[in-house]
Amino acid sequence: GQQVMQIPQYQHVQEGEDFTTYCNSSTTLSNIQWYKQRPGGHPVFLIQLVKSGEVKKQKRLTFQFGEAKKNSSLHITATQTTDVGTYFCALGGGSQGNLIFGKGTKLSVKP
Amino acid sequence: GAVVSQHPSRVICKSGTSVKIECRSLDFQATTMFWYRQFPKQSLMLMATSNEGSKATYEQGVEKDKFLINHASLTLSTLTVTSAHPEDSSFYICSALTGGVTEAFFGQGTRLTVV
Repeated sequence: GQQVMQIPQYQHVQEGEDFTTYCNSSTTLSNIQWYKQRPGGHPVFLIQLVKSGEVKKQKRLTFQFGEAKKNSSLHITATQTTDVGTYFCALGGGSQGNLIFGKGTKLSVKP
Repeated sequence: GAVVSQHPSRVICKSGTSVKIECRSLDFQATTMFWYRQFPKQSLMLMATSNEGSKATYEQGVEKDKFLINHASLTLSTLTVTSAHPEDSSFYICSALTGGVTEAFFGQGTRLTVV
């Protein structure tokens, strides 16, 4: 079945530094979603990317979908302590709409 | 966004007993709900897909007799962990889809500890 590789697994940054997490697939994706899970919490939808080369921004977060629709990235500019959590990419489009999650990137931010 | 309520948030049970977890869509009808399991420091792994009025579809390696799923109405799906053992201790999360929307709305999760 479809799989997605997400790197890095962990990222420790100083507050104010940038952060990027990457997802890569060996197959062309119809779409990719990004979720954030705070420690002890549940995943919360951030965004969905559908178009080749798509770039979307949410304040300090920038999401990209590769031209070949095989990779995606999430970039956070000038991290804040509120950005702490695990960021997951997820592939949609299972036969019944289920998601396939990447392993996630756990972000810690040192004040 | 749509609200999914999951109950209980935490449960501790004795080995050999059964635990029922409820997942409700509060302001929409969910024809499909999903149950995930998340072990510490790991990603969410899909356990089963629950469809209203029909049998759940289980992922490979998930014991359907151990993890009983019932989706009796368009707003409620339940997961019962039968004869729980310590290795079943995990974070169980449900999610639901609304019609025409592809993003998933997650419940708050249930942390199960089997002692």
